[in-house]
Amino acid sequence: DIQMTQSPSSLSASVGDRVTLTCRAGQSVSTYLNWYQQKPGKAPKLLIYGVSTLQSGVPSRFRGSGSGTDFTLTISSLQPEDFATYYCQQSLSTPLTFGGGTKVEIK
Amino acid sequence: EVQLVESGGGLIQPGGSLRLSCAASGFTVSGDYMGWVRQALGKGLEWVSVIYSGGGTYYADSVKGRFTISRDASKNTLDLQMNSLRADDTAVYYCARVSVTRVYYIDVWGGGTTVTVSS
Repeated sequence: DIQMTQSPSSLSASVGDRVTLTCRAGQSVSTYLNWYQQKPGKAPKLLIYGVSTLQSGVPSRFRGSGSGTDFTLTISSLQPEDFATYYCQQSLSTPLTFGGGTKVEIK
Repeated sequence: EVQLVESGGGLIQPGGSLRLSCAASGFTVSGDYMGWVRQALGKGLEWVSVIYSGGGTYYADSVKGRFTISRDASKNTLDLQMNSLRADDTAVYYCARVSVTRVYYIDVWGGGTTVTVSS
């Protein structure tokens, strides 16, 4: 299985901040990288697939980048509804393993 | 509307069995790449089991030999038979559909069902 590592595990930020989350794969996953957002008590929701393609309805303040083993999710201006946990997922090979998550908290 | 709704969770003693079911609407489970993802309280997401569109299956090492995934075409459900349950199986179990296009991703999630294994 391909191991996925996210950093940091949590961060505190303020509304309006620019936030960058990092995901590293244990081996190259090319551009087969997805991001999900999960709020407490809810199922995860797809944000971005294929590194940088926004799922329908996802605000343009979310941006994904990277290739190979290193990827980032950037939120350009953090909004109150963005406080959540974010997971990356590789989709190069099954099982489609997840990273451990980054929790974005209010400062 | 495309939707997944899980049922069957509950409190069970160690060593017991439970059967989770995931009812699909808006699409047919038999032709899709489907699976179960679990999340222990305060922890991350873990694939438990997958059934591919061709019928092949995957099980996490931690559940291999104890859990069985299956599809019921007549009911349009995805099921997970869980035997010999252990305390570390305690989690919210999500049913998920994987979109199989140029890039694979989970496009539909159920709301989750909670399994608690405790005496």
